[in-house]
Amino acid sequence: DIVMTQSPATLSVSPGERATLSCRASQSVSINLAWYQQKPGQAPRLLIYGASTRATGIPARFSGSGSGTEFTLTISSLRSEDFAVYYCQQYNNWPPRTFGQGTKLEIK
Amino acid sequence: QVQLQESGPGLVRPSGTLSLTCAVSGGSITSSDWWAWVRQPPGKGLEWIGEIYHNGRTNYNPSLKSRVIISLDKSNNQFSLNLSSVTAADTAVYFCARLTGPIPQSSDWFDPWGRGTLVTVSS
Repeated sequence: DIVMTQSPATLSVSPGERATLSCRASQSVSINLAWYQQKPGQAPRLLIYGASTRATGIPARFSGSGSGTEFTLTISSLRSEDFAVYYCQQYNNWPPRTFGQGTKLEIK
Repeated sequence: QVQLQESGPGLVRPSGTLSLTCAVSGGSITSSDWWAWVRQPPGKGLEWIGEIYHNGRTNYNPSLKSRVIISLDKSNNQFSLNLSSVTAADTAVYFCARLTGPIPQSSDWFDPWGRGTLVTVSS
């Protein structure tokens, strides 16, 4: 199984600042990686697929980068609605489809 | 746009079978997408359970494969999850989702998701 490891577990950032979240795969997943945002009590929402392509309706302040085993989700200027938990998911080698354990982005 | 809604009992007895249904609206389950179940234990991360295509083909998480059946109900545009021999470890919020990708029949990322339903396994 491909293990996805996200860091940090919790990230404290002030509104208006930049947030950088990391996701590492235990083996190469090429660019077959997606990012999701989940707010409390809500379903996950697709943000990024193909490592760097924003999903429909996702603001430009969200950007993804990376390939192989190292990936980054960057939120350029944090807004209050961006504070949530973020998950990465690989779809290069399955079953099983695997997610990272999540990074909680909290207000500093 | 496609919307999904889970339904089913919120409480299941240990050793029983968990049964959930996902109603799809705004689109057809006979489209070129796959339809999936994902779960999230309280306070934990996401775990893929399995998926189904409109021709009945399924893929399951090997860790759950012996206990899982996902099926289609084309006449009602919905699909279902059955998880047998449940224990407290199966307590989770269960989400249904469309599994889609850049070309027809691809199954890459989950979008959209249902709101989820909490299932508690307890006597």
